[in-house]
Amino acid sequence: DIQMTQSPSSLSASVGDRVTITCRASQGISNYLAWFQQKPGKAPKSLIYGASSLESGVPSKFSGSGSGTDFTLTISSLQPEDFATYYCQQYGIYPLTFGGGTRVEIK
Amino acid sequence: EVQLVESGGGLVQPGGSLRLSCAASGFIFSDHYMDWVRQAPGKGLEWVGRIRNKASRYTTEYAASVKGRFTISRDESKNSLYLQMNSLQVEDTAMYYCAKGGGYHPPSLDYWGQGILVTVSS
Repeated sequence: DIQMTQSPSSLSASVGDRVTITCRASQGISNYLAWFQQKPGKAPKSLIYGASSLESGVPSKFSGSGSGTDFTLTISSLQPEDFATYYCQQYGIYPLTFGGGTRVEIK
Repeated sequence: EVQLVESGGGLVQPGGSLRLSCAASGFIFSDHYMDWVRQAPGKGLEWVGRIRNKASRYTTEYAASVKGRFTISRDESKNSLYLQMNSLQVEDTAMYYCAKGGGYHPPSLDYWGQGILVTVSS
């Protein structure tokens, strides 16, 4: 199975900060990488697919990059509604696998 | 508007069975792959399995942790997705989400239901 390793597992940041989360796959997955946002008690919400394509309705402050094994999610200017847990997922090879999550907290 | 609504969760004893349903609306159900994803209390997301669309003959894929115990099916006439769970174990306790595959290949998961809680306990 492909292991997805996210770092950091948690971070504290202030409103307005630029935040970057990384996700590393244990083997190459081309660009079959998605990012999800999950707020407490809520279902995950898709942000990015194909490593860098924004889902419809997702604000442009979110961006993704990478290919192969190394990927990043960047939030350009953190807002109060962005405090949540973020997960990456590879969807190119079965079984599909998620990263362990990155919790973004208020500093 | 895409809507996915899960039902059928609850408390079940170890070794028991449960069938989850997911009612879909707002899109052409037969065109899309559908997945189940679960989340144990306080833990991360775990992919459970997938059923492909009509064009791919409704074939399925499963995580090793559930293969042979769980079965995913769908009913196009009811726009519904199902997860039959047998031989349930305490470790299957989780919130279960159904999710819709996007309109590209391979599909990512673009919409998720609100989830339904399954508790396996004696």
